Amino acid sequence: NAGVTQTPKFRVLKTGQSMTLLCAQDMNHEYMYWYRQDPGMGLRLIHYSVGEGTTAKGEVPDGYNVSRLKKQNFLLGLESAAPSQTSVYFCASRAWAHEQYFGPGTRLTVT
Amino acid sequence: GENVEQHPSTLSVQEGDSAVIKCTYSDSASNYFPWYKQELGKGPQLIIDIRSNVGEKKDQRIAVTLNKTAKHFSLHITETQPEDSAVYFCAARIGNTPLVFGKGTRLSVIA
Repeated sequence: NAGVTQTPKFRVLKTGQSMTLLCAQDMNHEYMYWYRQDPGMGLRLIHYSVGEGTTAKGEVPDGYNVSRLKKQNFLLGLESAAPSQTSVYFCASRAWAHEQYFGPGTRLTVT
Repeated sequence: GENVEQHPSTLSVQEGDSAVIKCTYSDSASNYFPWYKQELGKGPQLIIDIRSNVGEKKDQRIAVTLNKTAKHFSLHITETQPEDSAVYFCAARIGNTPLVFGKGTRLSVIA
């Protein structure tokens, strides 16, 4: 049982490039989340999903897209990366009415 | 929507002393309050949580108290040890909506 895993762990992008971050969980959780963490800003919700095939916007969704084609995977896409998207990205998942588990994070730098 | 305020933002204590971190929430409908510990370079890890039908919960050296009337909850760590040094986040949730996080407290335990 690996829990929540994130791929890649580190990435450096140039402004305007695109990329996809992958989150996978093996706990059969319905709910999945993407957060970004910046110094002094805590954890801010980007997008989330309440089940396979569903997505919803969080607090800071602009510049990101997501997809949940399979229950165990939640993808976060950056179509045209900007320096303001330099951050640490965390994925999380939980079952209905249960605690939330976080992945180890992806450190993204956009130059 | 829900808003969570967390204080203090930094806290230094001597090893063996107690540490207290406080959070206030704005929406009286919130019914779930977890606390997460984040060590350097890692994802947040759930350390304790409390639901609105309980006033206090303990787990060894950590405890959480909830005052629904005042809309605040606190994390108490007794007999602090150097390995307690980390960033701690509180959060609140209404039903199955996403967690709303405080901005975090950096705890330093001085040996």
